[in-house]
Amino acid sequence: ETGVTQSPTHLIKTRGQQVTLRCSSQSGHNTVSWYQQALGQGPQFIFQYYREEENGRGNFPPRFSGLQFPNYSSELNVNALELDDSALYLCASSLPGQGWEKLFFGSGTQLSVL
Amino acid sequence: DQQVKQNSPSLSVQEGRISILNCDYTNSMFDYFLWYKKYPAEGPTFLISISSIKDKNEDGRFTVFLNKSAKHLSLHIVPSQPGDSAVYFCAASESGNTPLVFGKGTRLSVIA
Repeated sequence: ETGVTQSPTHLIKTRGQQVTLRCSSQSGHNTVSWYQQALGQGPQFIFQYYREEENGRGNFPPRFSGLQFPNYSSELNVNALELDDSALYLCASSLPGQGWEKLFFGSGTQLSVL
Repeated sequence: DQQVKQNSPSLSVQEGRISILNCDYTNSMFDYFLWYKKYPAEGPTFLISISSIKDKNEDGRFTVFLNKSAKHLSLHIVPSQPGDSAVYFCAASESGNTPLVFGKGTRLSVIA
């Protein structure tokens, strides 16, 4: 059984650029959530996808968008990058029926915006 | 407005002693609580949870206590081991039907 994998592990972008982060869910998990962890902070909920539809969204602007694919893998897209977008982006998958409870996290993508 | 607060950024404990990590919450609708552990360069991993119908849940060396009236929970690790050195996040949810809200974390260092 493979765990949650994220790519890339590190990324450097400049302000105004666009970025796509990728996530492969743990086998059997049909729900994926994305979290942003800024330095010195706890993970903050961005959004969740279930059956390829957005199933909840945190306090993030529309330039943060996502996709979930039929194989339950997922993407997080961020447009018009700002310096404050620099953070660790965590993807988490969960079992059917446990979408908001026990999450299985990937190791994250460290995004630096210069 | 932080709904889940971990007021101790760090804690240092000797090996074999008890580690107590604290968490306070402000949202009275929270009724499901979890602790996650995070090692460097890894994602958080689930450690233990408790629902508001209980005031204690135990799993091996780890015990979580919930005081609903004080809106406070704590994680006890006994005995502490060097491998427990990590950042511990407290998280909360409403009936398991809302996204987890995390605290800022407490870095635990267990000294041999």
